[in-house]
Amino acid sequence: GQQLNQSPQSMFIQEGEDVSMNCTSSSIFNTWLWYKQDPGEGPVLLIALYKAGELTSNGRLTAQFGITRKDSFLNISASIPSDVGIYFCAGQLGYGGSQGNLIFGKGTKLSVKP
Amino acid sequence: GAGVSQSPSNKVTEKGKDVELRCDPISGHTALYWYRQSLGQGLEFLIYFQGNSAPDKSGLPSDRFSAERTGGSVSTLTIQRTQQEDSAVYLCASSSGPETDTQYFGPGTRLTVL
Repeated sequence: GQQLNQSPQSMFIQEGEDVSMNCTSSSIFNTWLWYKQDPGEGPVLLIALYKAGELTSNGRLTAQFGITRKDSFLNISASIPSDVGIYFCAGQLGYGGSQGNLIFGKGTKLSVKP
Repeated sequence: GAGVSQSPSNKVTEKGKDVELRCDPISGHTALYWYRQSLGQGLEFLIYFQGNSAPDKSGLPSDRFSAERTGGSVSTLTIQRTQQEDSAVYLCASSSGPETDTQYFGPGTRLTVL
């Protein structure tokens, strides 16, 4: 099925560093969402974006909805060990039915630098 | 109340057998989604239920897959004649209605087909 292009696939973080990841799509979405998934758990919503150009923060997380509605980025500032996990972007065409289902990127895996 | 729950948490089955996976959504949530997450991949939409409306089955990969939702609450995803490529984590999500994008995910059922 349709998927978003998410990059990077993986990255190593050192405590205190800033982290950035992004998603692009050939399709326009009305909503962009960022989720985090810990091992053995379902994804948990971090940030939801509803308008093109919107910049939203949630603590140390900042995400933006691209002007073209075909991309989004997520920044994590001053990373801490509990930030490790897999981050997914997801696009949503609309609400309800097949418009409401989420189309996911393949994820960005954050690990601690050895 | 409690979050989305799924059972079993792990299921190992032999190729050709049928399996049933259960999802208990958040009480009062009218929308329910099933997704599949293959190893190292993002989530793939399978099926969507909203209230008493006919389900959106557009994401089901084959006719071996089916799902029911009884009484507008509990849902069961059934996979008949399982194949090795069915091995994945099956995630259920619910939301309060079609007008919201916030889908709350369960922990998933890890299915392994030998």
